[in-house]
Amino acid sequence: GAGVSQTPSNKVTEKGKYVELRCDPISGHTALYWYRQSLGQGPEFLIYFQGTGAADDSGLPNDRFFAVRPEGSVSTLKIQRTERGDSAVYLCASSAQPQNTGELFFGEGSRLTVL
Amino acid sequence: EDQVTQSPEALRLQEGESSSLNCSYTVSGLRGLFWYRQDPGKGPEFLFTLYSAGEEKEKERLKATLTKKESFLHITAPKPEDSATYLCAVQASYGGATNKLIFGTGTLLAVQP
Repeated sequence: GAGVSQTPSNKVTEKGKYVELRCDPISGHTALYWYRQSLGQGPEFLIYFQGTGAADDSGLPNDRFFAVRPEGSVSTLKIQRTERGDSAVYLCASSAQPQNTGELFFGEGSRLTVL
Repeated sequence: EDQVTQSPEALRLQEGESSSLNCSYTVSGLRGLFWYRQDPGKGPEFLFTLYSAGEEKEKERLKATLTKKESFLHITAPKPEDSATYLCAVQASYGGATNKLIFGTGTLLAVQP
């Protein structure tokens, strides 16, 4: 597809379970971002990849959160031992290089609900 | 601490009634200020980038302006299809490799016909 694709669009899980959220960026975009958006709030930065490496993971809230991008394209956000406070929409975005414009292309998000 | 504050939280306009949304920011060195539009259930959609005080950008009924402390998004003669949440974000000069954006909480705009 032409845009950023995120799966699943909705995920309901129980407290303590493990979840994986997938992001397929726009083809050719080397920069990839994960943000988290709670109801009524703006997106909150989690992690930024440049190619395969995490250039900035300062937004990951704790060590239960981890993200990978092994081949520099698709990325997976992994959350261990989920808590009710993890419930939010997880947004993925990508951008082309040279990246310094802040023009990010966002997917529609994965809505995570932890019961 | 870098911070972005948007006002008002919500705004209801009649079709054709022009107004402005405010974004005030505190950042240790501004690399850029960005406006995004977000429709319900969708990801944010990029609108504008502003880099320096005095800069202006226009797109259809929208015009964004920037000063050293705030940005305004002016909406001229809005239509119902302009209804959305408008998000402001800043990118700071941390001196490192990060390109992260710091977002405000947004202004929910409703334009009634």
